[in-house]
Amino acid sequence: ETAVFQTPNYHVTQVGNEVSFNCKQTLGHDTMYWYKQDSKKLLKIMFSYNNKQLIVNETVPRRFSPQSSDKAHLNLRIKSVEPEDSAVYLCASSRQNANTEVFFGKGTRLTVV
Amino acid sequence: GEKVEQHESTLSVREGDSAVINCTYTDTASSYFPWYKQEAGKSLHFVIDIRSNVDRKQSQRLIVLLDKKAKRFSLHITATQPEDSAIYFCAADTGNYKYVFGAGTRLKVIA
Repeated sequence: ETAVFQTPNYHVTQVGNEVSFNCKQTLGHDTMYWYKQDSKKLLKIMFSYNNKQLIVNETVPRRFSPQSSDKAHLNLRIKSVEPEDSAVYLCASSRQNANTEVFFGKGTRLTVV
Repeated sequence: GEKVEQHESTLSVREGDSAVINCTYTDTASSYFPWYKQEAGKSLHFVIDIRSNVDRKQSQRLIVLLDKKAKRFSLHITATQPEDSAIYFCAADTGNYKYVFGAGTRLKVIA
């Protein structure tokens, strides 16, 4: 079964450390996303990539940087994490045209201590 | 930018009754309105969507209504079952590759 795969599932780290999250989709989609879901379940878009090109970059602190090697992969690096970065990070993908169903991964839960 | 308000934060219904979740949006350019379900400990799962060229769409027990004039859309779940219990998110998309989500409605179906 094809899907959106995220690793790791969980990560606990200390303030100031650097973390990287991986995401791969096997759906053949052209567009990938990172969303952040906070402890109140609020969902916010962070980045959108279309064919490896950044097309949406919301107001996200500069310590967050997406990295795309090809259109099936979109990783997320966070330099010097802060307590407010504790959240679930959801990777997703969709076909190239907008206004279409988005498929989500299971998420990476980050806890910053 | 677009803002989506989801009016019910929690909703409890008896099994077999209908549940209705309401959302409003602000950007008249929004043309696509999907709904997602998130069960406990799981990720988001698409359930149904509606585009702005129609005002009603049904998929089995799910009905979505869209009122463009009022900038309002709603999800109706008929004949609810315990497995419908989850958090439901509405979203709006203006076609620029980002959904704006509502805050979620926690639906509990009581057997």
